[in-house]
Amino acid sequence: AQSVAQPEDQVNVAEGNPLTVKCTYSVSGNPYLFWYVQYPNRGLQFLLKYITGDNLVKGSYGFEAEFNKSQTSFHLKKPSALVSDSALYFCAVRDGAGNNRKLIWGLGTSLAVNP
Amino acid sequence: NAGVMQNPRHLVRRRGQEARLRCSPMKGHSHVYWYRQLPEEGLKFMVYLQKENIIDESGMPKERFSAEFPKEGPSILRIQQVVRGDSAAYFCASSPFQGANTEAFFGQGTRLTVV
Repeated sequence: AQSVAQPEDQVNVAEGNPLTVKCTYSVSGNPYLFWYVQYPNRGLQFLLKYITGDNLVKGSYGFEAEFNKSQTSFHLKKPSALVSDSALYFCAVRDGAGNNRKLIWGLGTSLAVNP
Repeated sequence: NAGVMQNPRHLVRRRGQEARLRCSPMKGHSHVYWYRQLPEEGLKFMVYLQKENIIDESGMPKERFSAEFPKEGPSILRIQQVVRGDSAAYFCASSPFQGANTEAFFGQGTRLTVV
């Protein structure tokens, strides 16, 4: 069965420090992986995606994510966190096999960047 | 190119009334997804529609909920005889086609409060 796990409900990091938000997935075919961010009382904004090719994907606002097939992970990273990065982050996966185009979502990780 | 437009942004209904939530996808997008987000929870898939067709409604409650995406006009999520448990944020997303590698773009959401 397809699934996404974000093992941490909350991540706290000091401003200027590197941040990592973890995501692992399970699909039967090749995974298409996505990260979205949600600011308070707003909709979700697309950050980046992995489809194929280079395992390190760069996205909006200085974020990047590394696809690791052997660990079935797609962790979101940023070298230097900003207070304005504080938000809710969602990982999602779509199975490349078959005709199912439904995105499977993690439960989200709340990132708090402290000044 | 305007983004995904949802209205109203906030909707208050008394128990037993009907709620109608509207979603206008981005220009050129023919695929619409509806999600529900309960407080402190992640996104729950409800329904996936293409123009005039329901593709996947596996996340829709069996009763009181319906969705449509007519040839002309916005997609509508309709909740009949609302109950307090329907109080949530409802998000709409759209994509241009059914490709597995395509990200979806989200609206700002409609926050439904049932009193």
